[in-house]
Amino acid sequence: AQTVTQSQPEMSVQEAETVTLSCTYDTSENNYYLFWYKQPPSRQMILVIRQEAYKQQNATENRFSVNFQKAAKSFSLKISDSQLGDTAMYFCAFMKQVGAQKLVFGQGTRLTINP
Amino acid sequence: DTAVSQTPKYLVTQMGNDKSIKCEQNLGHDTMYWYKQDSKKFLKIMFSYNNKELIINETVPNRFSPKSPDKAHLNLHINSLELGDSAVYFCASSQRQDRNLYGYTFGSGTRLTVV
Repeated sequence: AQTVTQSQPEMSVQEAETVTLSCTYDTSENNYYLFWYKQPPSRQMILVIRQEAYKQQNATENRFSVNFQKAAKSFSLKISDSQLGDTAMYFCAFMKQVGAQKLVFGQGTRLTINP
Repeated sequence: DTAVSQTPKYLVTQMGNDKSIKCEQNLGHDTMYWYKQDSKKFLKIMFSYNNKELIINETVPNRFSPKSPDKAHLNLHINSLELGDSAVYFCASSQRQDRNLYGYTFGSGTRLTVV
């Protein structure tokens, strides 16, 4: 069974700083997807970024980028020029490429951006 | 237009009651899900349906019964509610295209409180 671990329950940075959220996962699969989801206080789950395991190039979406290390089974999220609106819970998630489309989530990291 | 809509957003009910949560998606996706988010914010899959067929049924008490009348709807019925059922329940949908999957689209969640 796949597991996802986020070792930082809470983080706090000043506005405009860069912050990195950690995620590790355990799987015997070779092909899979990795995701970061954001959950602001509104409760809505919002897809931030996704990565296909077969792609070596790290995904980027504006101020959000990932550092995907397949051999180390590591998938960290970097937020550059952090903004107050980035304050949220962030969840790392894993899905196998074949078979049932089941997202396995980490425990989440509560990120606070301070003014 | 809301892509995945859940009703109600909030539900307060007494122990022992039976309640339903409805979910509808207008994205044309083939697969729908129910996830439970507990008080520690941990998200865990409960059920998944693909074209009205149950494909994932995690270890969930049989008091929980999903029903999918068509591929755009997935409802969750809960019998004999218990205090431990208090949580946020998320509906989601996804679509696999050419072996690529772009992640789930989530509803805004239903906060269920059992008193």
